[in-house]
Amino acid sequence: DQQVKQNSPSLSVQEGRISILNCDYTNSMFDYFLWYKKYPAEGPTFLISISSIKDKNEDGRFTVFLNKSAKHLSLHIVPSQPGDSAVYFCAATAGGGGSNYKLTFGKGTLLTVNP
Amino acid sequence: NAGVTQTPKFQVLKTGQSMTLQCAQDMNHEYMSWYRQDPGMGLRLIHYSVGAGITDQGEVPNGYNVSRSTTEDFPLRLLSAAPSQTSVYFCASSRTGTAYGYTFGSGTRLTVV
Repeated sequence: DQQVKQNSPSLSVQEGRISILNCDYTNSMFDYFLWYKKYPAEGPTFLISISSIKDKNEDGRFTVFLNKSAKHLSLHIVPSQPGDSAVYFCAATAGGGGSNYKLTFGKGTLLTVNP
Repeated sequence: NAGVTQTPKFQVLKTGQSMTLQCAQDMNHEYMSWYRQDPGMGLRLIHYSVGAGITDQGEVPNGYNVSRSTTEDFPLRLLSAAPSQTSVYFCASSRTGTAYGYTFGSGTRLTVV
């Protein structure tokens, strides 16, 4: 049973528009959530994270929203740029205080930003 | 600062062969993990370590062994390779604290024939 779900395998947006990537989770013990970005033939790179005590975290063009009651989080990229084209993974951990050494990943969403 | 270094980048094994995937980090990170990525499956945790001398199993540990004799190194051993172990393997490290995610290596693409 998959505990972290990214139900959209792919998403295509125009440059300059907003990209919204979604993630759902089933494990109520998850208390810390992360987004990773992955280019082909490279390892994933950390993008942004959010603790369960918050509902929003922002870093430049990237904002993550957390809705705990719905067990749903989303990553917003505004404005989208062609260099944002990559696979985005949602990950979660139940660290009991936030230790982040055991991550559960979703299957990923391929974002394509068209010029 | 090299970050997380994985070797080799590519490897082809015959069924039944054994090998060790190397992983080293120079950031003095306490935590290290091994993940595998398969098409349509995301990344799945194989083994992890919270410090030198301490290791534990992840989601898919069967067929793999690990050890952590130093803070820097976390090798992954395939005991008897099987075609089902064809995958891309990522090593990752992290320091303690909630604000930081893992730093991943660039991966080892393994094919078992």
